[in-house]
Amino acid sequence: GESVGLHLPTLSVQEGDNSIINCAYSNSASDYFIWYKQESGKGPQFIIDIRSNMDKRQGQRVTVLLNKTVKHLSLQIAATQPGDSAVYFCAENPRRGANSKLTFGKGITLSVRP
Amino acid sequence: NAGVTQTPKFRILKIGQSMTLQCTQDMNHNYMYWYRQDPGMGLKLIYYSVGAGITDKGEVPNGYNVSRSTTEDFPLRLELAAPSQTSVYFCASSPQGSQPQHFGDGTRLSIL
Repeated sequence: GESVGLHLPTLSVQEGDNSIINCAYSNSASDYFIWYKQESGKGPQFIIDIRSNMDKRQGQRVTVLLNKTVKHLSLQIAATQPGDSAVYFCAENPRRGANSKLTFGKGITLSVRP
Repeated sequence: NAGVTQTPKFRILKIGQSMTLQCTQDMNHNYMYWYRQDPGMGLKLIYYSVGAGITDKGEVPNGYNVSRSTTEDFPLRLELAAPSQTSVYFCASSPQGSQPQHFGDGTRLSIL
């Protein structure tokens, strides 16, 4: 079936380094993608989104890259900080139209070493 | 704005009991959603609503019911609690479908 998945369950990075979190999706019809951050004991928090007519979008310290050819999505975090430690989820919208809804991946834990 | 507010934050139920998880949003969003999140897993959609009076099943609707009588409120009902329903439940809302969803902080439910 269609699915959104993440390559690695955990990622450990040194404070100050750049982090790259990868996500593969299987539905070529997906037209909207989101990255969420979830801290312990809290709900997911929106980070950045991208639509399928773009291949890159930048926010504050974060960049999302979309490669539709290989159905790959990545989140880059510049100068990773301890506050970036959390679980990160990618989500895709696999259905166009008014009733479209998101499908979430399983999540990857980012751990920042001091 | 408070955003999405869920109550209660924690609850322990006995098998067979019923309860309602409350969710309200003050952003005038049309779409609302209920998810469950099991340990180490992603979010699974239980039910969603595209507007007042309209609800639809998600990926895992069995054992749950919802209603949407107002734009602001989207309660989730468990009629006969089962241990398999032990989970963290998140409510979310968005203006439309292909737009970021705003989440509450969850209800942690244990059924013993």
